[in-house]
Amino acid sequence: ETGVTQSPTHLIKTRGQQVTLRCSSQSGHNTVSWYQQALGQGPQFIFQYYREEENGRGNFPPRFSGLQFPNYSSELNVNALELDDSALYLCASSPLAGSYNEQFFGPGTRLTVL
Amino acid sequence: DQQVKQNSPSLSVQEGRISILNCDYTNSMFDYFLWYKKYPAEGPTFLISISSIKDKNEDGRFTVFLNKSAKHLSLHIVPSQPGDSAVYFCAGDYGGSQGNLIFGKGTKLSVKP
Repeated sequence: ETGVTQSPTHLIKTRGQQVTLRCSSQSGHNTVSWYQQALGQGPQFIFQYYREEENGRGNFPPRFSGLQFPNYSSELNVNALELDDSALYLCASSPLAGSYNEQFFGPGTRLTVL
Repeated sequence: DQQVKQNSPSLSVQEGRISILNCDYTNSMFDYFLWYKKYPAEGPTFLISISSIKDKNEDGRFTVFLNKSAKHLSLHIVPSQPGDSAVYFCAGDYGGSQGNLIFGKGTKLSVKP
């Protein structure tokens, strides 16, 4: 059974650019959540996708957007990058949406904005 | 305003002894609490959880205690092993349809041989 994978591992961008991060969910999982983990902080919920629809969103501006594909893989897009967007971006998949479903995390993508 | 607080950034214990990691929360609406463990260069992995209607949950060497009146939970690891050295995150869940977790900042546990 393949776990959650994310690409790329590391990424360096400059302020104002756009970035796309990718996540492949674990086999059999139809729900993907994205989290941002800034240095010294815990992961912070960005949004969740369930069966290709956004199922909930945290306190992030609209320039953070996402997609989920029919195979349940997902993308996180960030437009107009700011220095504070530098963080580890974690993707987590779960077999169902909602609480009480264990979330399985990928290793993350480290984004640096210069 | 942090809803889940882990006030100890780090903890060091001797192998074989008990590790106690603490977590406080401010939001009474949390329905469910979870502990995740994170090794460097890996994503967090689920460790143990507890429902808000319970005060204790045990899984092998790991036990989580919940004190709702104090809005406090703790993770006990007995006996501690060097492989337990990692960052431990406490998280709260509102129990809704979104399943978004509210994480604390984490506590780095070091278990010395």
